[in-house]
Amino acid sequence: DAKTTQPNSMESNEEEPVHLPCNHSTISGTDYIHWYRQLPSQGPEYVIHGLTSNVNNRMASLAIAEDRKSSTLILHRATLRDAAVYYCILNPGAGSYQLTFGKGTKLSVIP
Amino acid sequence: GAVVSQHPSWVICKSGTSVKIECRSLDFQATTMFWYRQFPKKSLMLMATSNEGSKATYEQGVEKDKFLINHASLTLSTLTVTSAHPEDSSFYICSAPNPGLAADTQYFGPGTRLTVL
Repeated sequence: DAKTTQPNSMESNEEEPVHLPCNHSTISGTDYIHWYRQLPSQGPEYVIHGLTSNVNNRMASLAIAEDRKSSTLILHRATLRDAAVYYCILNPGAGSYQLTFGKGTKLSVIP
Repeated sequence: GAVVSQHPSWVICKSGTSVKIECRSLDFQATTMFWYRQFPKKSLMLMATSNEGSKATYEQGVEKDKFLINHASLTLSTLTVTSAHPEDSSFYICSAPNPGLAADTQYFGPGTRLTVL
């Protein structure tokens, strides 16, 4: 499985933008880049996913490097409710539902 | 939107007893569901894939006779931890494929915390 590398932890001030990086240098041409987050004592929550182009939704934006070897999840204004572990996961799609979770990045939001 | 529920949210049991955890997809059908286990301060580890109407597929190292999975309907999968021991204490989470989005995204349940005394 193609692997991802994320910083163990990051901090952000409340109401500031947050850029969460993810390296995936061995990504294949058909791998989708998924982001999930897990709040304390809860199951993971889907955030966003993309293939090649940058993506926006109500929760976040996903910026994908041109060579696709890295991506950045952008939270435009961090709130205390965004404090969670964020997971960057590669998935080949095409009916392959299995997700392999790495260690993720623990985001702390400072009031 | 689509939701996955789990019951119970937490359970405490004595060593040697069996515990059943339910995972339900609300307002959508799921022919496939997944069961994960998460130990404190660790990441999620996939245990098995639950398939409606057929046998579950277990990941390497997961004992199928200990973790019984039954996917009896298109909205319900159950995980039974048989003869539970303290080392089985963990956070168990299920998921189901999102019926709306492409690229195989998933909805996750809120998790069930199992404590075996």
